[in-house]
Amino acid sequence: QSALTQPASASGFPEQSISISCTGTSSDIGAYNYVSWYQQHPGTAPKLIIYDVFSRPSGVSSRFSGSKSGNTASLTISGLQTEDEADYYCLSFRTNNAYVFGTGTKVTVL
Amino acid sequence: EVQLLESGGGLLQPGGSLRLSCAASGLTFSNYAMIWVRQAPGKGLEWVSGISGSGGSTYYADSVQGRFIISRDNSKGTLFLRLNNVSAEDTAIYYCGKGCRPNRNIDAVDVWGRGTMVAVSS
Repeated sequence: QSALTQPASASGFPEQSISISCTGTSSDIGAYNYVSWYQQHPGTAPKLIIYDVFSRPSGVSSRFSGSKSGNTASLTISGLQTEDEADYYCLSFRTNNAYVFGTGTKVTVL
Repeated sequence: EVQLLESGGGLLQPGGSLRLSCAASGLTFSNYAMIWVRQAPGKGLEWVSGISGSGGSTYYADSVQGRFIISRDNSKGTLFLRLNNVSAEDTAIYYCGKGCRPNRNIDAVDVWGRGTMVAVSS
């Protein structure tokens, strides 16, 4: 069960926007809208920031947005802030009742 | 407030067994599918196993199929993961998580525990 592909790193200056891609296959991202994104700060548990491709849980900043096209999902962080510096992971449902995470992206605020 | 608390981690030898627990509070536990996710030191997240709200359906990653067993006790609000025949590759923090919506498969994980560490070494 190979992982979804994410860039290892992404960076931007405060107030800039960055996007993180998450590439899968027609058996996961391409087939289902069950794509979610998680933020993880060092030493802490992951936190849900996007579900169902583009929905935001209550309390999550509107600076986070999600989208999908074909086999690739994307997370965009607008108005980058220092507290956004963290690791980000995508997760997708996959055929045969499996789930798969992305490889993870380390976001650095310059 | 929904809370999840893992326990049962520790140090064990290759080939050994261990049972992890995840105590849930603040929710009608049987209504929600649950999941185990692990993270090896310095590595990314890996889905390990999932279970339906009733416990009647279980799912496993290829890497643990046949060695790990997921189960739940809805009367006690507790999720379990039995680790058998472990190897060094199973060394990780193990997190339990709750599905977003009731009475459905996991579509996203909206509540996570703090994790419990499992280390496999001779």
